[in-house]
Amino acid sequence: EDQVTQSPEALRLQEGESSSLNCSYTVSGLRGLFWYRQDPGKGPEFLFTLYSAGEEKEKERLKATLTKKESFLHITAPKPEDSATYLCAVQPNGRTGGTSYGKLTFGQGTILTVHP
Amino acid sequence: NAGVTQTPKFQVLKTGQSMTLQCAQDMNHNSMYWYRQDPGMGLRLIYYSASEGTTDKGEVPNGYNVSRLNKREFSLRLESAAPSQTSVYFCASRGYGTSANEQYFGPGTRLTVT
Repeated sequence: EDQVTQSPEALRLQEGESSSLNCSYTVSGLRGLFWYRQDPGKGPEFLFTLYSAGEEKEKERLKATLTKKESFLHITAPKPEDSATYLCAVQPNGRTGGTSYGKLTFGQGTILTVHP
Repeated sequence: NAGVTQTPKFQVLKTGQSMTLQCAQDMNHNSMYWYRQDPGMGLRLIYYSASEGTTDKGEVPNGYNVSRLNKREFSLRLESAAPSQTSVYFCASRGYGTSANEQYFGPGTRLTVT
């Protein structure tokens, strides 16, 4: 069974204080790992897709990295507007090696609060 | 493009009542999904539709039914609502392809069953 565990559950930072969020996963063949941002009362907003170990992607103050067992979301010099819940999800390969129809398994999320 | 839209935004039901949650996307996506989000549980897949004319169960399908009305629309029905179905419901869609294409989410429907 595919599993995704995110840590910490909540993280409080001062503006400008860099840190990382962790996403540990077990999956029978990884097709892709996704990071989403979710603001209160809104739907998740897509940030990144990572496909293979060693891959990195960046967007403004965020950088996502991937190993064979976990992914990190690095936040450099965060601002209060980066406050949100960050969700990690994995898409496995299909059982026969084909498509899994895009089905995702999500972690519980990390609630990030950045204080000015 | 409006992306993924959901109606209603809020709903309060009494136990045993029925209702249908509506979802539509204007991105010409093939696949559509219904999730529920509960505190501490993350997003859990209820049902999905890989393409028009097909639907299949996800992780937590009990108490729900779905209809893929056409390529744009995917509805979720609660036949006899229970307090355990109090949750936030999200619809999502995904473009065609066997690669790991991302899903795009709607704004959610907040449902309370009393």
